Amino acid sequence: GENVEQHPSTLSVQEGDSAVIKCTYSDSASNYFPWYKQELGKGPQLIIDIRSNVGEKKDQRIAVTLNKTAKHFSLHITETQPEDSAVYFCAAREYSTLTFGKGTMLLVSP
Amino acid sequence: DTEVTQTPKHLVMGMTNKKSLKCEQHMGHRAMYWYKQKAKKPPELMFVYSYEKLSINESVPSRFSPECPNSSLLNLHLHALQPEDSALYLCASSQDRTVSPLHFGNGTRLTVT
Repeated sequence: GENVEQHPSTLSVQEGDSAVIKCTYSDSASNYFPWYKQELGKGPQLIIDIRSNVGEKKDQRIAVTLNKTAKHFSLHITETQPEDSAVYFCAAREYSTLTFGKGTMLLVSP
Repeated sequence: DTEVTQTPKHLVMGMTNKKSLKCEQHMGHRAMYWYKQKAKKPPELMFVYSYEKLSINESVPSRFSPECPNSSLLNLHLHALQPEDSALYLCASSQDRTVSPLHFGNGTRLTVT
């Protein structure tokens, strides 16, 4: 089955800095890669996703890049704000099964 | 606010109780999911319903019993749970079971005493 590795497990940045979270996957058949943000006491919220026929996608301060050859994808957050503090999960999906990484706790200090 | 609504938000139950978790979505999605999430861990898939039929059961103990009365509703019936079943139970939905985004509810925080 699919295996998704996510790094780092925790990330502390100063407000205004950039944050990068990286994931690797094992199954070359995976073709959909979402990123979720989970705040305390809430469910995971989809923040951006990318499909395997695209190398990069951007939405305001958030971008995701995908390298199919190397089987890795990354989340980039620019100009971080304290409200970006949360746990971020990457995931990979092949047909119907979504496999999550173990999560990254991002802390943005004012 | 999420478009997937889960009730109740919190639930405390004894090991001999029977309770149900409810999930509702009105996005016209035809796939619905139950996930279990322990603290500091990613969500773990329990069940998948596609077009109101159970399509995946990830070897979940029979003390958890899912039900999909119609395309908008998903229930999880609980009976004779163990303290280790205490967790956040998340419902999610997607357009279908193929490559489409999953939308999660905010979960039910379950404590088994």
